[in-house]
Amino acid sequence: DIQMTQTTSSLSASLGDRVTISCSASQGISNYLNWYQQKPDGTVKLLIYYTSSLHSGVPSRFSGSGSGTDYSLTISNLEPEDIATYYCQQYSKLPWTFGGGTKLEIK
Amino acid sequence: QVQLQQSAAELARPGASVKMSCKASGYTFTSYTMHWVKQRPGQGLEWIGYINPSSGYTEYNQKFKDKTTLTADKSSSTAYMQLSSLTSEDSAVYYCARSGDYDLAYWGQGTLVTVSA
Repeated sequence: DIQMTQTTSSLSASLGDRVTISCSASQGISNYLNWYQQKPDGTVKLLIYYTSSLHSGVPSRFSGSGSGTDYSLTISNLEPEDIATYYCQQYSKLPWTFGGGTKLEIK
Repeated sequence: QVQLQQSAAELARPGASVKMSCKASGYTFTSYTMHWVKQRPGQGLEWIGYINPSSGYTEYNQKFKDKTTLTADKSSSTAYMQLSSLTSEDSAVYYCARSGDYDLAYWGQGTLVTVSA
């Protein structure tokens, strides 16, 4: 199975900050990488698909980039509603696998 | 709008089985695959597998192949997941999620399964 690693398990930032969350794969995944947001109440939403495409209704302050084995999610101008845990997920090979998550908190 | 309404929390004894549901609305049920994801308390997300409601074809994560059975009822636009031979390791929140292209575009609210004697 492809292992997805989010080395930062928690991150503290201030409102208005630019935040970058990283994710690496155990092998190349050809940009087949999605990002999800899980709110403290458990609600999960798709943010970014295929590395950098914004899902419908997601604010433009979210963006994604990367290639090969290394990918990142950037939130520009952090807002209070962005407090959540963020997961990357690869779909290059079955089984689909997720990173361990990065919990974002307000400083 | 797309909605996935999952069944209520379950309390089950070790060794028993549970079957949870995921009722879809707001789109054509047979046009998208339905996936299931496990989240143990305080842990990350694990992909269990998916079903194609149109054909009934299923694909499982090998880790869950002997534990899980996915089915779908086209007449009621409802997907089901059955978990068998329950142990404490099966205590978790289980989410259904509708696919987009190769993503999990819309998620249910989750069903909490607690396994306890």
